Amino acid sequence: DGGITQSPKYLFRKEGQNVTLSCEQNLNHDAMYWYRQDPGQGLRLIYYSQIVNDFQKGDIAEGYSVSREKKESFPLTVTSAQKNPTAFYLCASSKTGGANTGELFFGEGSRLTVL
Amino acid sequence: AQSVAQPEDQVNVAEGNPLTVKCTYSVSGNPYLFWYVQYPNRGLQFLLKYITGDNLVKGSYGFEAEFNKSQTSFHLKKPSALVSDSALYFCAVRDRGNRDDKIIFGKGTRLHILP
Repeated sequence: DGGITQSPKYLFRKEGQNVTLSCEQNLNHDAMYWYRQDPGQGLRLIYYSQIVNDFQKGDIAEGYSVSREKKESFPLTVTSAQKNPTAFYLCASSKTGGANTGELFFGEGSRLTVL
Repeated sequence: AQSVAQPEDQVNVAEGNPLTVKCTYSVSGNPYLFWYVQYPNRGLQFLLKYITGDNLVKGSYGFEAEFNKSQTSFHLKKPSALVSDSALYFCAVRDRGNRDDKIIFGKGTRLHILP
């Protein structure tokens, strides 16, 4: 079945360590997104990519980095510069253009806890 | 810049009664508008979208939403609530005037359906 897969589902790291969250999709979608979810703050956009080898900062990109070397993959690295990394991270993908825009398919999320 | 406001953190409705979850938006151009639902520790699921045309949009699980341009609103509605509708609901917007696919979410509204 087509879908979007995030791994790991749960991740514990020590303060100061970089961590990379995986996001893979087999939906042949051009656009991919990373959101961060915190209680009472909803979803905030970290990075998004509309095409391979190109990506744009969202509203809270500081302390994060991404790459888009393949259409199917959009990994997110949470660096040691991110001051409050403990959160639930959601990856999504969508078709692009016109009426297809915005119908996002989400992964099941990765919960990162920094000890 | 585009933004979304969901003025209610929580909405309580008795089973069988109609429900409304409010959403207002701000964009520089015309909007694409969306509603998503999230169950505990899961990713978001698409419910419905407004692109153009009829202001009343019907979606999954009996939900509908009404686009009101003059009030910049896109409230989610259902004629008769079910206990299984209890979840976290997110409104999202994309500015059609932008060439990118940046999609912004509101903070979410927790819906409790009381048996």
